[in-house]
Amino acid sequence: AQSVTQPDIHITVSEGASLELRCNYSYGATPYLFWYVQSPGQGLQLLLKYFSGDTLVQGIKGFEAEFKRSQSSFNLRKPSVHWSDAAEYFCAMDTGFQKLVFGTGTRLLVSP
Amino acid sequence: SAVISQKPSRDICQRGTSLTIQCQVDSQVTMMFWYRQQPGQSLTLIATANQGSEATYESGFVIDKFPISRPNLTFSTLTVSNMSPEDSSIYLCSVDINEKLFFGSGTQLSVL
Repeated sequence: AQSVTQPDIHITVSEGASLELRCNYSYGATPYLFWYVQSPGQGLQLLLKYFSGDTLVQGIKGFEAEFKRSQSSFNLRKPSVHWSDAAEYFCAMDTGFQKLVFGTGTRLLVSP
Repeated sequence: SAVISQKPSRDICQRGTSLTIQCQVDSQVTMMFWYRQQPGQSLTLIATANQGSEATYESGFVIDKFPISRPNLTFSTLTVSNMSPEDSSIYLCSVDINEKLFFGSGTQLSVL
């Protein structure tokens, strides 16, 4: 079955600390993978995408993600979190024709 | 990227009524998508709307409940018909540009 799993519902990180949000996928081939961020009351903003090639993908706002085929993972990282990064983060997979399957999201809380 | 405008941004509706959500894009796009985000949950694709053809609905969604129009390459509407409290969700339109999905800010619907 095609699915995206984000095992962490909530994560709390101190401001300035590093961040890693986990994402695992289940798909019969190498999918296109995305990370989106949703701030309260707003739509989704695309942070980065992986289509092929370099497995380390750079995105906006200082985020990066690494595709690991052997682990079926696409974890999102940021070396130093800012208070404005507090939001809901969604990992998504393109299952064809730009139809996205989303994970259940991880809510990031940033403590002072 | 694209500027995607959704109207209304939020609404409170009575059971049994219908609401039409509009999505306007600042550029011509072939594929538009409608997603639903139920409270505290992830996004689920409702349907794909291509200009000049009938919308394609995902499993669990039907045209009678969620009729969609796509009169041109920059505009689409989604109607939520005969609403019940279970339809209370955020509804988002998205567009495909260069194999990336961009989202509108969503319509928050509450059904009493």
